[in-house]
Amino acid sequence: AQSVTQPDIHITVSEGASLELRCNYSYGATPYLFWYVQSPGQGLQLLLKYFSGDTLVQGIKGFEAEFKRSQSSFNLRKPSVHWSDAAEYFCVSGGGSEKLVFGKGTKLTVNP
Amino acid sequence: DVKVTQSSRYLVKRTGEKVFLECVQDMDHENMFWYRQDPGLGLRLIYFSYDVKMKEKGDIPEGYSVSREKKERFSLILESASTNQTSMYLCASRWAGNSGANVLTFGAGSRLTVL
Repeated sequence: AQSVTQPDIHITVSEGASLELRCNYSYGATPYLFWYVQSPGQGLQLLLKYFSGDTLVQGIKGFEAEFKRSQSSFNLRKPSVHWSDAAEYFCVSGGGSEKLVFGKGTKLTVNP
Repeated sequence: DVKVTQSSRYLVKRTGEKVFLECVQDMDHENMFWYRQDPGLGLRLIYFSYDVKMKEKGDIPEGYSVSREKKERFSLILESASTNQTSMYLCASRWAGNSGANVLTFGAGSRLTVL
């Protein structure tokens, strides 16, 4: 069965530091992969998506993610975190099924 | 921009009450979804609908039903609310074509408390 794992439940970084959020997927073929962000009390907003082609994808708010087939990973990165990036981040896989598979999320805290 | 509107942001209901959560989207999307979000559990799919009058059970349909009489509206119904249904409920929609690749657009959520 398809699955998405976000190993880190909670990450704390200082403002201005770099960020990497990990995501591993389990799927036989190349899945469609997404990162969504959820600010407190809000719905989810798409940050970026990967379908095929260039394995480094750029998203909104300065985020990027890299698809690595050999590691079954789709990690999210940002070179310099802002206090407004504090939120919960979800990695999502959408290949081969009408239904999407969500990771359990990583909550990001940003210290001043 | 696609808008998905959940009419009730916060609801407080009593055990045994019938609860309706309404979701409306304005971009003619075929697919609509209801998720439940709980701390540590992420998002779990309750029901989804491919198109009008079509529905399919998700991963946790027990205690819930849905209605999709019009394309733009997808309602989640709790026939007899229980305290373990206290949660954040998220509605989402997307285009149907090549659906696995299509982006979900989410509403802001409805936080339900059952006393």
